[in-house]
Amino acid sequence: DAKTTQPPSMDCAEGRAANLPCNHSTISGNEYVYWYRQIHSQGPQYIIHGLKNNETNEMASLIITEDRKSSTLILPHATLRDTAVYYCIVRVSYNTNAGKSTFGDGTTLTVKP
Amino acid sequence: NAGVTQTPKFQVLKTGQSMTLQCAQDMNHNSMYWYRQDPGMGLRLIYYSASEGTTDKGEVPNGYNVSRLNKREFSLRLESAAPSQTSVYFCASSWEYNEQFFGPGTRLTVL
Repeated sequence: DAKTTQPPSMDCAEGRAANLPCNHSTISGNEYVYWYRQIHSQGPQYIIHGLKNNETNEMASLIITEDRKSSTLILPHATLRDTAVYYCIVRVSYNTNAGKSTFGDGTTLTVKP
Repeated sequence: NAGVTQTPKFQVLKTGQSMTLQCAQDMNHNSMYWYRQDPGMGLRLIYYSASEGTTDKGEVPNGYNVSRLNKREFSLRLESAAPSQTSVYFCASSWEYNEQFFGPGTRLTVL
């Protein structure tokens, strides 16, 4: 699976949009982009995923560039409870190699009042 | 619907002791995973099981063994614990190779 690069930390003001970037320049055509977050020491929580089209759900939006080499997770109105470590990973979704996808160190997002 | 459950929540071992971490899921997922997370670090995959009866090594399998007991349960065994295995262990499951659902973790300290 392709390696991802994320900034180690970011700050965001409460109520503003948080835009978290991820670089995955070696992504293959059959690899999806997944985002998870980990609040404090809890187990990671799935947020959203996409292949090449932009995606939106009740938690966030995912914008993938046309060349698929990078993506941005958008939390439209960040709250203090969104303070967490955010992980971007890429993985295939149809064969056993998917099991080998790994989580990097992620981005620590701090939402400030 | 409990999702993914892990036992125990906390454990302290002495060097050389053995133990088994238990994981169970009630979502009828076919794939299950074990990760470790050291302080201030991301998750690293230890082993995974794509389906009942199969297991494969991840990034950091040395010092661990796993058993996929049935579709619901996936256990992780430390045969001879070492201080380097002090970590938080997370189990996860997924339907096929889609989004993973994680358990609350087991916090293990090896003295």
